Amino acid sequence: DQQVKQNSPSLSVQEGRISILNCDYTNSMFDYFLWYKKYPAEGPTFLISISSIKDKNEDGRFTVFLNKSAKHLSLHIVPSQPGDSAVYFCAASPGAQKLVFGQGTRLTINP
Amino acid sequence: EAGVAQSPRYKIIEKRQSVAFWCNPISGHATLYWYQQILGQGPKLLIQFQNNGVVDDSQLPKDRFSAERLKGVDSTLKIQPAKLEDSAVYLCASSPTTGPGNQPQHFGDGTRLSIL
Repeated sequence: DQQVKQNSPSLSVQEGRISILNCDYTNSMFDYFLWYKKYPAEGPTFLISISSIKDKNEDGRFTVFLNKSAKHLSLHIVPSQPGDSAVYFCAASPGAQKLVFGQGTRLTINP
Repeated sequence: EAGVAQSPRYKIIEKRQSVAFWCNPISGHATLYWYQQILGQGPKLLIQFQNNGVVDDSQLPKDRFSAERLKGVDSTLKIQPAKLEDSAVYLCASSPTTGPGNQPQHFGDGTRLSIL
């Protein structure tokens, strides 16, 4: 039972344009959501998070949007840079510290 | 600050052998996690420690996997005997508090385990 789903295994975006990564969840008990970025042979690195009491959180080039009624969140990166090329994981938590991860989306930024 | 340290980085063993992984969390972090990441999937929590006590081990295959965190600092994860399906990256993470709403988890670079 995949409670957190990232339906796009890969995404290719031109440098300077907007990258939009999507994530869907099924568990209504999830109240905290995070995005992690992962480079090859490295561990995931925390990027940005959002609580269920908000619908948007912004940090520099990164913005996360949460639509609770649709059980959907998205990560926007603008403008996209070559260093953003990585695998992005969406994760959710049901109030405690246990994180449930999606399968990941590989983002490639083309020059 | 120093990050989460894991060793070894790579390990190759034959099925039915045993293997152990070591993790040193960020200094002062009370909570420690072990995750298994199979190729093409997201990390899956195996076990969570709060200081040296187990908080959640519901997804740990206890017939072959064991973990301990003596003195509430370093931790080891052991697999005995290993099966082919245990081939994965084993990630250790730590956080200073019990809730991700306060602080995110910080991950080590993982140990890549290959079972022949």
